[in-house]
Amino acid sequence: GENVGLHLPTLSVQEGDNSIINCAYSNSASDYFIWYKQESGKGPQFIIDIRSNMDKRQGQRVTVLLNKTVKHLSLQIAATQPGDSAVYFCAESPQGGKLIFGQGTELSVKP
Amino acid sequence: DTAVSQTPKYLVTQMGNDKSIKCEQNLGHDTMYWYKQDSKKFLKIMFSYNNKELIINETVPNRFSPKSPDKAHLNLHINSLELGDSAVYFCASSLATGDLRNEQFFGPGTRLTVL
Repeated sequence: GENVGLHLPTLSVQEGDNSIINCAYSNSASDYFIWYKQESGKGPQFIIDIRSNMDKRQGQRVTVLLNKTVKHLSLQIAATQPGDSAVYFCAESPQGGKLIFGQGTELSVKP
Repeated sequence: DTAVSQTPKYLVTQMGNDKSIKCEQNLGHDTMYWYKQDSKKFLKIMFSYNNKELIINETVPNRFSPKSPDKAHLNLHINSLELGDSAVYFCASSLATGDLRNEQFFGPGTRLTVL
């Protein structure tokens, strides 16, 4: 069934430290994965995506790692800032157009 | 400059009423979606339309009826509202279904409270 989940529902980090948010997915047919950030009172905002033919992709201060062997996805945020505080969702797409979202991890950055 | 907009932002209503939420996107996208986010922040797709045609319908009660007058608009009408319908509803759009890069752009959400 649909099961994109996160290992930790909450994560608290010190400002300036690196953050790692993990995600497990269950559908081997998924070929596209996205990380979204949702700030309080707002809609989800795209952070970074990765296709199944890659195992790593870097953006500005963010890196997504994909391990298809164990069906694991992670989002790394370098030098975490207070503005990074939000709920982070991973999502998988087993077929084009449909995104299955995980439960979400709330990241809290302490100054 | 608003990419995906929804109205209203907040909606408080009594059980049994009928209400609508409107969504518009000015991105020129072909595909639009409705999601429901519950109190635990879980986001689940409800519907998807591509060029005004329904392509995804996720076992949503038929009290929910999406309507797409054109590809820039996807409205959600809910009949006979129930307490369990209380949630935040998000509209989203993307360039095309089946596109390898399927980034979806989300609206700000509509918080529906059924009393």
